[in-house]
Amino acid sequence: KNEVEQSPQNLTAQEGEFITINCSYSVGISALHWLQQHPGGGIVSLFMLSSGKKKHGRLIATINIQEKHSSLHITASHPRDSAVYICAVSWVDSNYQLIWGAGTKLIIKP
Amino acid sequence: EAQVTQNPRYLITVTGKKLTVTCSQNMNHEYMSWYRQDPGLGLRQIYYSMNVEVTDKGDVPEGYKVSRKEKRNFPLILESPSPNQTSLYFCASSLWYQETQYFGPGTRLLVL
Repeated sequence: KNEVEQSPQNLTAQEGEFITINCSYSVGISALHWLQQHPGGGIVSLFMLSSGKKKHGRLIATINIQEKHSSLHITASHPRDSAVYICAVSWVDSNYQLIWGAGTKLIIKP
Repeated sequence: EAQVTQNPRYLITVTGKKLTVTCSQNMNHEYMSWYRQDPGLGLRQIYYSMNVEVTDKGDVPEGYKVSRKEKRNFPLILESPSPNQTSLYFCASSLWYQETQYFGPGTRLLVL
C-alpha cells in the first residue's frame, strides 16, 4: 500500500524554538509537497520539491530520495506559525493522484 | 489575482435535497480536484479532472458527481445528500497533478 506518514501528529513548542516535522513515504515519487492549513481552514502550498532543499523565509524543506524522507523545518518559530502542516506526494505510477499525509498540528506558544 | 473560488462557503441543507458546490479557477490550469476533510482523516480526494470532459474517481466518490464542461469550472454535485456527507470540502487546481496545488477557501456543508 502506498502511504505517506507524518510525525509527530501533534507538536507544541515555545516561541523561538527550531521546529522539525517529518514525512516518510513508501514509493518512488516524482514530487513531494508541503502545505499549510491555517486555523481558519485555508490551505496554501509552501513547497514542491523533488530533490535537495528549498528555503523560503524561515521555512526550509529538505528531501532525501534514497531514504524516502522529507523534513520541514521552521526556524525562530512564532505563534503565527501555528497551523496544520500537510505532506503529499505524487508517485511515479500514480493514477494522476496525490497521496496525502494526515497532517501535523503545530502550536507555538508565546 | 490568481485564485480558486468556491461557492457557497457555508451550506446547511436537508437529506435528499440536491445541491451543487461551484469551483472556478482563473489560472488556466489543466488539473482540478475535489477533496473532503473530516476530523482525524485528513484530505481525501473525491473526484479529479485532467482536462475538459475528462474526469475520474478519487478515493471517496460515492454519492458525488462532477462535470468539466469548461476548463475553468469544476462543480461538485450531490444528487441526494446524506448526513455522512457533512464535511469541509475543498476544490484545488494545478497545472498538472504533480505541480503546486492551489486551493479554494473551502465549503462547510451540514446535511441534516
